[in-house]
Amino acid sequence: AQTVTQSQPEMSVQEAETVTLSCTYDTSESDYYLFWYKQPPSRQMILVIRQEAYKQQNATENRFSVNFQKAAKSFSLKISDSQLGDAAMYFCAYRVQGAQKLVFGQGTRLTINP
Amino acid sequence: AAGVIQSPRHLIKEKRETATLKCYPIPRHDTVYWYQQGPGQDPQFLISFYEKMQSDKGSIPDRFSAQQFSDYHSELNMSSLELGDSALYFCASSLGPGLPGNTIYFGEGSWLTVV
Repeated sequence: AQTVTQSQPEMSVQEAETVTLSCTYDTSESDYYLFWYKQPPSRQMILVIRQEAYKQQNATENRFSVNFQKAAKSFSLKISDSQLGDAAMYFCAYRVQGAQKLVFGQGTRLTINP
Repeated sequence: AAGVIQSPRHLIKEKRETATLKCYPIPRHDTVYWYQQGPGQDPQFLISFYEKMQSDKGSIPDRFSAQQFSDYHSELNMSSLELGDSALYFCASSLGPGLPGNTIYFGEGSWLTVV
């Protein structure tokens, strides 16, 4: 069974600094997708960034970037120049190509200190 | 851009009652998913539909049922409600799983409180 593990229940960072959220996953598949979703206090699930497993280049979206290590089954999220609006619960998620469901990690609550 | 629309946004029901949640996917999306998120938990997959057929099933109780209609909207029916069913229910949509642009987009969720 595929599992996703986020080992950091909570993280905090000073505004304007950089923070990295960790995620590891377990799978025997070779073709899959990885995602980071953000869930602010409004509880809406917002897609932050996605990575296709067949791509070696790490995905980047403005201040958000990932460090995808396929052999190590690691998928960390780096947030640069942290802003107060980045405060949220962050979920790492995994999806096998052609499969329906997302498998989520337990989430990391990120606090931004002004 | 149009997003996934869920209704109602908030719902309060008594134990043993029935509730129905509705979901309207992003236009042209043919796949709909339902997730349940309890307090302090990660979202748990319930069920999904592709082209109006059930395509995958997760931890959905037998008291729950769902379907996708010809216009691709979906409804989640929950009967004999229990206190433990109180949760945030997400609907999400995507293009079919075989297509490259198959990122899953979530609605804002429907809050169900069972009292």
